[in-house]
Amino acid sequence: NAGVTQTPKFQVLKTGQSMTLQCAQDMNHEYMSWYRQDPGMGLRLIHYSVGAGITDQGEVPNGYNVSRSTTEDFPLRLLSAAPSQTSVYFCASRPREGSYFSYEQYFGPGTRLTVT
Amino acid sequence: AQSVSQHNHHVILSEAASLELGCNYSYGGTVNLFWYVQYPGQHLQLLLKYFSGDPLVKGIKGFEAEFIKSKFSFNLRKPSVQWSDTAEYFCAVNDYGQNFVFGPGTRLSVLP
Repeated sequence: NAGVTQTPKFQVLKTGQSMTLQCAQDMNHEYMSWYRQDPGMGLRLIHYSVGAGITDQGEVPNGYNVSRSTTEDFPLRLLSAAPSQTSVYFCASRPREGSYFSYEQYFGPGTRLTVT
Repeated sequence: AQSVSQHNHHVILSEAASLELGCNYSYGGTVNLFWYVQYPGQHLQLLLKYFSGDPLVKGIKGFEAEFIKSKFSFNLRKPSVQWSDTAEYFCAVNDYGQNFVFGPGTRLSVLP
């Protein structure tokens, strides 16, 4: 079991460029989410998905797009990168427990993104 | 909207000192409470959680936390820290909804 994997580990972009951060999990978890981590602000939820074909916005969705075509993958797209998107990005997944999702989150190793 | 505050931005302790990290949340209803730890260069790991029952919960590596409902607090404690406890610690809440709200984090530096 690889758990939650993220690529790339590091990325530098110029303002206006686009890119996709990849996230995959091999645990068959229906719930997946993206957070950004900024100093002094903890983790803030960007987007989340409760299953293939279903996505929703979190606390800070502007400037980011997501899609969920399979249970395993949940890519995060930056359409036109801005310096304010310099951050560390974490993907997480949660298994289902009956009618609900477990409160146990499995985090990926993170992607450190710098936008110049 | 819920919010989570953590009292200290950066705590510096010597080995064997006792630790208490403060966490307060704003939600007035029933919540689930969590502490996560992020060791340098690693991803977040669950340290302990509180759902219901005994308000004193024990986690991994000798950590414990006490839920005080009247104070909306969930403080993390360890009687004697080690150098290997150097990490960032995040408090988080979930109000039985889909998502979590994290605090800003407290960086702990333990001096050998």
